[in-house]
Amino acid sequence: GENVEQHPSTLSVQEGDSAVIKCTYSDSASNYFPWYKQELGKRPQLIIDIRSNVGEKKDQRIAVTLNKTAKHFSLHITETQPEDSAVYFCAAFPGDDYKLSFGAGTTVTVRA
Amino acid sequence: GAVVSQHPSRVICKSGTSVKIECRSLDFQATTMFWYRQFPKQSLMLMATSNEGSKATYEQGVEKDKFLINHASLTLSTLTVTSAHPEDSSFYICSARELAGGPGDTQYFGPGTRLTVL
Repeated sequence: GENVEQHPSTLSVQEGDSAVIKCTYSDSASNYFPWYKQELGKRPQLIIDIRSNVGEKKDQRIAVTLNKTAKHFSLHITETQPEDSAVYFCAAFPGDDYKLSFGAGTTVTVRA
Repeated sequence: GAVVSQHPSRVICKSGTSVKIECRSLDFQATTMFWYRQFPKQSLMLMATSNEGSKATYEQGVEKDKFLINHASLTLSTLTVTSAHPEDSSFYICSARELAGGPGDTQYFGPGTRLTVL
């Protein structure tokens, strides 16, 4: 099955700086990569996703890049704000399976 | 976007009792729903996949007789924790997959249910 690794496990950044989270996956057939943001005690919220036919996608301060050859994808948050503090999960969707495989999560803390 | 509701949001029960959690897709039909379990500071662990009109598919290590899943309609799936014990205390989250007609159908999560077994 798919195995997703996520780094770092914790990330502390100064407000206004950028945050980068990296994930690798094992199944070359994976073709969909969503990112979720989860605040304490709340549901995971889809913040951005990318499909295997593109290399980069951007939505305001959030961007995701995908390198299919290397089998890794990254989340970039620019101009971080305190409300960006949360746990972020990456996930991969193998083409022949119906289940998302999640990374272990990254706790992001934005210091004011 | 698609909305998934979950009820109850929080439940406290005595050891040995059963607890039912409902998951509903409010503005779309979901032939497939997923049940996750999340311990503090950990990732989401998939417990089972709920398919409308058929038996659920359980992940390895998840007891079918303890975690009963029923997907009676295209908008409702229920998880029943039978004979709950303190070690079943956790955050249970469901998700529903919105069919987009392509690979990697998007999943939307419910708000979760905090179960505490005394």
